[in-house]
Amino acid sequence: NAGVTQTPKFRVLKTGQSMTLLCAQDMNHEYMYWYRQDPGMGLRLIHYSVGEGTTAKGEVPDGYNVSRLKKQNFLLGLESAAPSQTSVYFCASSGGTLTYGQYFGPGTRLTVT
Amino acid sequence: AQSVTQLDSQVPVFEEAPVELRCNYSSSVSVYLFWYVQYPNQGLQLLLKYLSGSTLVKGINGFEAEFNKSQTSFHLRKPSVHISDTAEYFCAVRSPMNYGGSQGNLIFGKGTKLSVKP
Repeated sequence: NAGVTQTPKFRVLKTGQSMTLLCAQDMNHEYMYWYRQDPGMGLRLIHYSVGEGTTAKGEVPDGYNVSRLKKQNFLLGLESAAPSQTSVYFCASSGGTLTYGQYFGPGTRLTVT
Repeated sequence: AQSVTQLDSQVPVFEEAPVELRCNYSSSVSVYLFWYVQYPNQGLQLLLKYLSGSTLVKGINGFEAEFNKSQTSFHLRKPSVHISDTAEYFCAVRSPMNYGGSQGNLIFGKGTKLSVKP
């Protein structure tokens, strides 16, 4: 039982390049989330999904897209990376929205130069 | 709208001393409250949560938190800290599902860095 895994762990992009971050969970959770963490800002929700095939915008969705084609996977895409997207990205999953906490992956550190 | 305020960005303490990390929230509806811990270069791990019932909640690693509705607070405490407690701690609030279209998402505070010195 690996929990929540994220790939890659580190990535350096040049401005304008694109990339996809992969999140996978093996807990059969319905809900999945993408956050970004910046110093002094806490965690901010980018996008989330309440089930396979559904996605919704969070607090800071601009510049990102997501897809949830399979229940266990949640992909975060950057179509044209900008230096402002330099951050640590965390994926999380949850079995429900009422009483469950969220289970977090180890994070992806992205630098855009 | 809901918000979470963690009053201290950094808290330095000596080993074996007690510690309190403060968290206040604002919400016009009932909420669920959580504390997470993030060790260096790792993801977040759930410490404890308050859903209902007893206002004193016990979590992992000897931490506990007390929900105070009148003061809208959920402070985290530990009577005696260890070097290994050095980490960043996040308070989070969640509304009941679908309130205001939020789908019950978590709202995080900006974190408190606990530094335990020998």
